[in-house]
Amino acid sequence: DAKTTQPNSMESNEEEPVHLPCNHSTISGTDYIHWYRQLPSQGPEYVIHGLTSNVNNRMASLAIAEDRKSSTLILHRATLRDAAVYYCILRDAIKAAGNKLTFGGGTRVLVKP
Amino acid sequence: GAVVSQHPSWVICKSGTSVKIECRSLDFQATTMFWYRQFPKQSLMLMATSNEGSKATYEQGVEKDKFLINHASLTLSTLTVTSAHPEDSSFYICSARDLQLASNEQFFGPGTRLTVL
Repeated sequence: DAKTTQPNSMESNEEEPVHLPCNHSTISGTDYIHWYRQLPSQGPEYVIHGLTSNVNNRMASLAIAEDRKSSTLILHRATLRDAAVYYCILRDAIKAAGNKLTFGGGTRVLVKP
Repeated sequence: GAVVSQHPSWVICKSGTSVKIECRSLDFQATTMFWYRQFPKQSLMLMATSNEGSKATYEQGVEKDKFLINHASLTLSTLTVTSAHPEDSSFYICSARDLQLASNEQFFGPGTRLTVL
């Protein structure tokens, strides 16, 4: 399975943007890039996903490099509620095993007031 | 978005007893549900894939006789930790996919914290 690499932690000030990088140099053409986040003592929640083009939704933006070997999750204005562990996950759209999500270490985001 | 619930949210049991955890998709049908385990300060580890009407598929290293999974309906999967021991103490999380959504987004339950004394 293609793997992802993320920094262990990042700090941000409240109301400032946060850019969370993810490296996935062995990504295949059928791998979607998914982002989930997990708030303390809760189950993960979906944030955003994409394949090739940049994506925006109400929670965040996803910028995907042209060669698809890296991507960046952008939280435009961090709030205290955004403090969580953010997971970048590759999901193969073709293989049956692509139904599964394999979580790596994620990036722990600290938001300072 | 779709909602997945888990019951109980926490449980404390004595060593040697069995504990059942329920996972329900509240407003959608899920032919496939997933069970994860998370130890403190660690990431989620997939334990098994629960398939409605058939046997669960377990990940390597997960004992199927210890972690019994039943997926008897399109909205309910159960995980039974049999003969629980202190090392089974963990945060158990389930997830489900709404097949009507093209995004393949998974919806996670709030988790069940199991403490075995």
